[in-house]
Amino acid sequence: EDQVTQSPEALRLQEGESSSLNCSYTVSGLRGLFWYRQDPGKGPEFLFTLYSAGEEKEKERLKATLTKKESFLHITAPKPEDSATYLCAVQATSGGGADGLTFGKGTHLIIQP
Amino acid sequence: DVKVTQSSRYLVKRTGEKVFLECVQDMDHENMFWYRQDPGLGLRLIYFSYDVKMKEKGDIPEGYSVSREKKERFSLILESASTNQTSMYLCASRRSNEKLFFGSGTQLSVL
Repeated sequence: EDQVTQSPEALRLQEGESSSLNCSYTVSGLRGLFWYRQDPGKGPEFLFTLYSAGEEKEKERLKATLTKKESFLHITAPKPEDSATYLCAVQATSGGGADGLTFGKGTHLIIQP
Repeated sequence: DVKVTQSSRYLVKRTGEKVFLECVQDMDHENMFWYRQDPGLGLRLIYFSYDVKMKEKGDIPEGYSVSREKKERFSLILESASTNQTSMYLCASRRSNEKLFFGSGTQLSVL
């Protein structure tokens, strides 16, 4: 069974204080790992897709990295508007490609001014 | 701009009622999904569909059914709503092996 574990569950940072969120995964074979951002009361918004170990993607203050067992979402000099829940999800190669993603429970990030 | 549209943002229903949640996507995606999201449990897959009239059970299909009569529309049906089905329901769509696009969600309360 595919499993995704995110840590920490919640993180409170001061504005400008850089940190990293972790996503550990167990799949038979990884087709893709996805990061999403979710604001309260809204649907998740896509951030990144990573496909193979060593791959990195960047967008503004966010940088996602991938190893064979985990992914990190690095947040550099965060601002209050970066406050959200960050979700990690995986798609395994065992699926037919049409099936859904397996999601972690998310990290609730709060950036204080 | 790509869109997944869910028909209601908030719904309040009585126990035993039949409930329909509608979802429409305008991206010509073959795959559509229904998830529910609960605090502490995360997103869990209820059903998905990879083609018109085709459906597959996800991780928690009990108490739910789905309908996909047209490619752009995927409906979630609660045959007899119960209080433990109070949740945020999220519809999503995608092309195979690509990223998911989510709707805004429907917060369903069953009293």
